[in-house]
Amino acid sequence: DTGVSQNPRHKITKRGQNVTFRCDPISEHNRLYWYRQTLGQGPEFLTYFQNEAQLEKSRLLSDRFSAERPKGSFSTLEIQRTEQGDSAMYLCASSSLAGGLRGTQYFGPGTRLTVL
Amino acid sequence: GDSVTQMEGPVTLSEEAFLTINCTYTATGYPSLFWYVQYPGEGLQLLLKATKADDKGSNKGFEATYRKETTSFHLEKGSVQVSDSAVYFCAPTLGGGSQGNLIFGKGTKLSVKP
Repeated sequence: DTGVSQNPRHKITKRGQNVTFRCDPISEHNRLYWYRQTLGQGPEFLTYFQNEAQLEKSRLLSDRFSAERPKGSFSTLEIQRTEQGDSAMYLCASSSLAGGLRGTQYFGPGTRLTVL
Repeated sequence: GDSVTQMEGPVTLSEEAFLTINCTYTATGYPSLFWYVQYPGEGLQLLLKATKADDKGSNKGFEATYRKETTSFHLEKGSVQVSDSAVYFCAPTLGGGSQGNLIFGKGTKLSVKP
C-alpha cells in the first residue's frame, strides 16, 4: 500500500490562469474525496466520487471548479480562471467500501496552491 | 445542519501532563467519529475512530469514547510527549452512517514543552 499521492505538491500561478491537480488514491479504494483547507481552518468538503461517478458536490464548488475520475482510479481537480481566494491546500482522500476499515478516509499530502 | 465544535487552542502543556481536547457534534443519523492529527509540515493522519455508541477508539496512547447521549468524542492522553505537538481535528461523518464525507472542526493546536 503506497498511500494516497498528489501532484504537484506546490503550485504558484497568476490570477486568471487555469490549474489542474492530480490525485492517485490507494489502489482498489472505491471512494475518492476532495477537500480544501485554508490556513488555520479544518478541511472543507468539496466533492466525492464512487468509482467513476461523482456523487456529491459541495456548494463551495463553484462552476470554475471541475473534477473527474474517468476510469475510477486517479482523479483530477481543475480550477479555471483562478482567483486569489482559491489559494489553499487541496487535499485528496480515499476510502474503501469493504473490509474492517471501510469508510475510513486516508489523506494525501495535499497540493498547496498560491494565486498571485 | 451538521456541525462540529472543538476546543479552541492553542493548548500548551508540559511533558507528561494529562491532555483533554473536547469535541461535540450535531449530526443527523448515526455518524462515525474520527480524530485526525496533522504534524508540522505533514498531511492529515488518522489517529483513531469509533463507529457506534460507547465504542472507544485508541492509538498511540490517545483514547476517545463515542458518547451518543452527549454527542461528544473527547480526546484524551494520560501523559503527553513533545512529539505529540501537532494540530488535532475532530471529524464526524456528514449525514450519518459510516461512509459519508467528513465535517472537520477548526483544529486544536497542541504544543508540548520539555
